[in-house]
Amino acid sequence: EDQVTQSPEALRLQEGESSSLNCSYTVSGLRGLFWYRQDPGKGPEFLFTLYSAGEEKEKERLKATLTKKESFLHITAPKPEDSATYLCAVHPGSNYQLIWGAGTKLIIKP
Amino acid sequence: DGGITQSPKYLFRKEGQNVTLSCEQNLNHDAMYWYRQDPGQGLRLIYYSQIVNDFQKGDIAEGYSVSREKKESFPLTVTSAQKNPTAFYLCASSIGTTSGETQYFGPGTRLLVL
Repeated sequence: EDQVTQSPEALRLQEGESSSLNCSYTVSGLRGLFWYRQDPGKGPEFLFTLYSAGEEKEKERLKATLTKKESFLHITAPKPEDSATYLCAVHPGSNYQLIWGAGTKLIIKP
Repeated sequence: DGGITQSPKYLFRKEGQNVTLSCEQNLNHDAMYWYRQDPGQGLRLIYYSQIVNDFQKGDIAEGYSVSREKKESFPLTVTSAQKNPTAFYLCASSIGTTSGETQYFGPGTRLLVL
């Protein structure tokens, strides 16, 4: 069964304290892995798409990496405005539907 | 500016009532989607449409209906058969549905039951 698991469920950091969020997946084939940011009461905002193991993408303080079993979203020297829920989704090779993780709620304290 | 709009932002449903959520996009995307988001769970697909006048059921289609008469519009009706409709509803679109195409989301509609 295709599955996506995000960990931890919640992460509290001090401003400037770097860390990583994990998205592990078991799917039959991988057409793409997506990271989104979601603020409370708003729709998800697209961050990155990764297509193959070894691929990396960066945007400001965020860097996403991909292996054959998992993806990491690294956040370097975070600021309070980085506080949000980060969602991971996988497009398996078997059908059109994305498989979504439950998200990691990131809280950055000033 | 291109994007996806959803209305209303909040919607209240009475017992036995059908309600319709609006979704419009001006991105010229072929594919559109409806998701339901509940606390602590991943997004769940209700319906998707790859092209005008065609749509397919997702994992939780029971109690919902859709139409796709125009490329830009994909309204979702929550019928009285949906017994637990309280949730955050998200509309998304993508260029198509093939390999790894990014989905872009609207701002969402929160549905509450009176």
